[in-house]
Amino acid sequence: QITLKESGPTLVKSTQTLTLTCTFSELSRSTSGMGVGWIRQPPGKALEWLALISWNDDKRYSPSLKSRLTITKDTSKNQVVLTMTYMDPVDTATYYCARRPAVRGGITPYYFDSWGQGTLVTVSS
Amino acid sequence: SYVLTQPPSVSVAPRQTARITCGGNNIGSKSVHWYQQKSGQAPVLVVYDDSDRPSGIPERFSGSNSGNTAILTISRVEAGDEADYYCQLWDSSIDHWVFGGGTKLTVL
Repeated sequence: QITLKESGPTLVKSTQTLTLTCTFSELSRSTSGMGVGWIRQPPGKALEWLALISWNDDKRYSPSLKSRLTITKDTSKNQVVLTMTYMDPVDTATYYCARRPAVRGGITPYYFDSWGQGTLVTVSS
Repeated sequence: SYVLTQPPSVSVAPRQTARITCGGNNIGSKSVHWYQQKSGQAPVLVVYDDSDRPSGIPERFSGSNSGNTAILTISRVEAGDEADYYCQLWDSSIDHWVFGGGTKLTVL
């Protein structure tokens, strides 16, 4: 059973860059073919997908936020990092990382089967 | 971009059946996934690929998908099922993930 944990600042100022790290506990052989995504949730609101990186380094971004997002991975550390530039108070949210399971038999699963606990990021003006 | 529409709330009495809908244009041609999110907790996958259940999810949770509506059905509802439920799919036309607006399930 994989576990994921988000880490990063709890408070950032408007216009600053947010850097969040997702660290997951599983041997690298088990990560082959999987993906890690970032999803956020403003207080009292719905989930919003932000970005996803696959283990072959393929990257996908939310069209509405693409210009502000960068997702990278460090396989040796079992970490995925998300950076978001030009933070604004409307970006205040709980940020989750989640695993997209590995590709099997050539079929890519497009759901998230394990989630981190989330980290609340508040953006002050 | 693709839009998923969920009712804001659904109420059901204990031991009855709850049905939570997720509407989208020709959604029946796509794979839909469902998450349960209890207050203050991270989401948990309860149904994937329209109707499959992850290990550990009770058989009371089931899903269907046809036409313009996907449905999450919870049979014999318990107090512990009270939560927000989100549908989700992958929009292949622009290669991104989409979540519905969420439905709050209240057990009366």
